[in-house]
Amino acid sequence: EPEVTQTPSHQVTQMGQEVILRCVPISNHLYFYWYRQILGQKVEFLVSFYNNEISEKSEIFDDQFSVERPDGSNFTLKIRSTKLEDSAMYFCASSPIMNTEAFFGQGTRLTVV
Amino acid sequence: GIQVEQSPPDLILQEGANSTLRCNFSDSVNNLQWFHQNPWGQLINLFYIPSGTKQNGRLSATTVATERYSLLYISSSQTTDSGVYFCAVEGWDSNYQLIWGAGTKLIIKP
Repeated sequence: EPEVTQTPSHQVTQMGQEVILRCVPISNHLYFYWYRQILGQKVEFLVSFYNNEISEKSEIFDDQFSVERPDGSNFTLKIRSTKLEDSAMYFCASSPIMNTEAFFGQGTRLTVV
Repeated sequence: GIQVEQSPPDLILQEGANSTLRCNFSDSVNNLQWFHQNPWGQLINLFYIPSGTKQNGRLSATTVATERYSLLYISSSQTTDSGVYFCAVEGWDSNYQLIWGAGTKLIIKP
């Protein structure tokens, strides 16, 4: 069964460093998303991406964040200068079309020290 | 924006018991999904159920869209069912994003 894959599963980085979280969405899907979950809190929407551009973004997704689909298979989330409060679980998701089931990856646990 | 409330927040049961988890939402939705987050933090898709009833093994779900609620039923609970169960919805005015409830933390004791 096709699945969304995320790498790495856990990343530790120093404050101020840049990190890139990687995702491979399901191959025939057209919509891609990033969500995050701070420990013990709700899952929060960050950004959606369609047709090589951002469709919608939340207030959390400020200038420190960027997304890219560098090739036909990968979808990345970059955090330019990490802060302690960026420590969270980051989930990538994809869906075939809008307003349908979104399939989630296993997540990347980012720890900023 | 749309609000999502889940109840109960915590539930402790003995193995073999049945449980019902509830998700209320404040407006019409065009997408509703149930997820299980395991102790390692991974999200597992359970159901895509904007309306109607679905069953998958010991789990089933029902969404009554006109009354703005969804129920997740777990029968004959097993210890591996432990974790947090999330309901997430996409409202008609919140395209492209799922709005998540706070979750129900389920603990199944052997």
